[in-house]
Amino acid sequence: GEDVEQSLFLSVREGDSSVINCTYTDSSSTYLYWYKQEPGAGLQLLTYIFSNMDMKQDQRLTVLLNKKDKHLSLRIADTQTGDSAIYFCAEIFDLSGGSYIPTFGRGTSLIVHP
Amino acid sequence: ETGVTQTPRHLVMGMTNKKSLKCEQHLGHNAMYWYKQSAKKPLELMFVYSLEERVENNSVPSRFSPECPNSSHLFLHLHTLQPEDSALYLCASSQEEGTGSYEQYFGPGTRLTVT
Repeated sequence: GEDVEQSLFLSVREGDSSVINCTYTDSSSTYLYWYKQEPGAGLQLLTYIFSNMDMKQDQRLTVLLNKKDKHLSLRIADTQTGDSAIYFCAEIFDLSGGSYIPTFGRGTSLIVHP
Repeated sequence: ETGVTQTPRHLVMGMTNKKSLKCEQHLGHNAMYWYKQSAKKPLELMFVYSLEERVENNSVPSRFSPECPNSSHLFLHLHTLQPEDSALYLCASSQEEGTGSYEQYFGPGTRLTVT
């Protein structure tokens, strides 16, 4: 079945760039998403990318997709303490099967320190 | 109200109580979901409703009973829970089919503690 893997923790200094990585196993992925979860809150959609794209940029966020290596990354430029949260990678693998339910990774806890 | 709302935000209940969690989406979506989020465990999909019909039930214990009276409202009825059911329960909605990007929108969650 589908599997989405993320490292559990990432620690960066304020002002540096953060890169959160995600790998997946199924090559038929269609939409890929990044969500952010702050303490005590639900998941908030940050951005998404369609599988025919290699890159998407939205202000401080850059999403890179390497379909050959089945690797997705989220880069946060000029990381701030307010970016401290858990970041989830999620993917929908096969829309042709009629399933619109994403598979989520376990989440990466981003810790930003001064 | 905008987005996805959930009530109550916090709930403490004994193992013999009966309570219900409520979710409402104001986005015009046609699919709604219940997830369970426990510490140090992956996000667990519990129930999916598409066009008000339940389409997926991932072997959830019968002490959890969902209800979807219309496309905007989703309930999770709880009875005879166990301490290991303590978790954050998240509701989400999305628009299935069409030309959208199918992303899910989440509510803030209900923090449930079973004593």
